[in-house]
Amino acid sequence: GAVVSQHPSRVICKSGTSVKIECRSLDFQATTMFWYRQFPKQSLMLMATSNEGSKATYEQGVEKDKFLINHASLTLSTLTVTSAHPEDSSFYICSARRLAGGLDEQYFGPGTRLTVT
Amino acid sequence: QKEVEQNSGPLSVPEGAIASLNCTYSDRGSQSFFWYRQYSGKSPELIMSIYSNGDKEDGRFTAQLNKASQYVSLLIRDSQPSDSATYLCAVILSGSARQLTFGSGTQLTVLP
Repeated sequence: GAVVSQHPSRVICKSGTSVKIECRSLDFQATTMFWYRQFPKQSLMLMATSNEGSKATYEQGVEKDKFLINHASLTLSTLTVTSAHPEDSSFYICSARRLAGGLDEQYFGPGTRLTVT
Repeated sequence: QKEVEQNSGPLSVPEGAIASLNCTYSDRGSQSFFWYRQYSGKSPELIMSIYSNGDKEDGRFTAQLNKASQYVSLLIRDSQPSDSATYLCAVILSGSARQLTFGSGTQLTVLP
């Protein structure tokens, strides 16, 4: 199966600081990666679509200047939460799109739990 | 009408039984359908993808797709307590940039 990693798995930061989360596809190339946020007992919420070498496409209501996304290579996308506030505390999950063997599937990373104090 | 709808459950089945999870979608042009499993506090894990009408089997899991009825289901045979999780139906809607549209999920509990 396809493997997607995220780093860090858990981070605690102070209000006003920035946090960078990395998402890597370990055994396949991903031209497209997606970033989600999930609050407790709620559904996944898509934040943005990240295409390698181009600007990310953000969903309505997601501040692009606050959530900076960079997809510099076919195996790495990063999400930077700038000037984090307690309301940004959430579970951030990436997924990577894999095209192989006639299949077009998306695999999720293990997630990053962000706590802003 | 929601784009992807699932029975919210919760659904409880005894160990060894068949668990049946259902999903309907509104976009008749959709071509790609997925089932994910999400344990509490974890990220979703892909169980099955299905693109053509009919059944697709993988181990104890069988996905069924009926595009005419806009219906996709997941059967879990010989259910185990470790199958207890939330099951998410996901669809790639036509005209989308390959984003997954999720149902609200069905919480399954397999009772030992």
